[in-house]
Amino acid sequence: KQEVTQIPAALSVPEGENLVLNCSFTDSAIYNLQWFRQDPGKGLTSLLLIQSSQREQTSGRLNASLDKSSGRSTLYIAASQPGDSATYLCAVRHNTNAGKSTFGDGTTLTVKP
Amino acid sequence: NAGVTQTPKFRILKIGQSMTLQCTQDMNHNYMYWYRQDPGMGLKLIYYSVGAGITDKGEVPNGYNVSRSTTEDFPLRLELAAPSQTSVYFCASVRDSDTEAFFGQGTRLTVV
Repeated sequence: KQEVTQIPAALSVPEGENLVLNCSFTDSAIYNLQWFRQDPGKGLTSLLLIQSSQREQTSGRLNASLDKSSGRSTLYIAASQPGDSATYLCAVRHNTNAGKSTFGDGTTLTVKP
Repeated sequence: NAGVTQTPKFRILKIGQSMTLQCTQDMNHNYMYWYRQDPGMGLKLIYYSVGAGITDKGEVPNGYNVSRSTTEDFPLRLELAAPSQTSVYFCASVRDSDTEAFFGQGTRLTVV
């Protein structure tokens, strides 16, 4: 059974700092890994999707990496801003034709002005 | 393009009542999913469908039922609501098993 772990559960940083969020998974048989942002009481906003054959993806100040063999992904946020405060979830897509995903419990990020 | 639309956004049910959470997508996606999210936790899969007429159980299916009569719609039925079903419910769809997932805005359900 695929298990996804996100560490730390919560992170507080001063504005302007660069930071890394971690996601680890137990089964490397995956199609892809997707990072989401969730604001309090809101739905999920897709940030980055990394296919299993890729090593990283970038969007603006965000960079996500994937090391499938070691079961790890990181989300790097450069020059953090108070508007980045949210919960960040990673989801691993199983390597089956049903396309099911397993989610981590998320990292809640607070960026202080 | 509306994407994935869920209704209602909020609902309060009494114990033992039933209701249907609606989910519609207009992207002609084959795969659709229902998840629940409890406070401070990630999403857990309730049911999923790989196409019209095909559904299967996920990780936490007890107390729920689904149907998929069309590609667009994937309603989730709660029979005999229980306090343990208090949660936020998300519907999602993907075009193929390895493409980006799109989520609805969620339904916040409270059972009292």
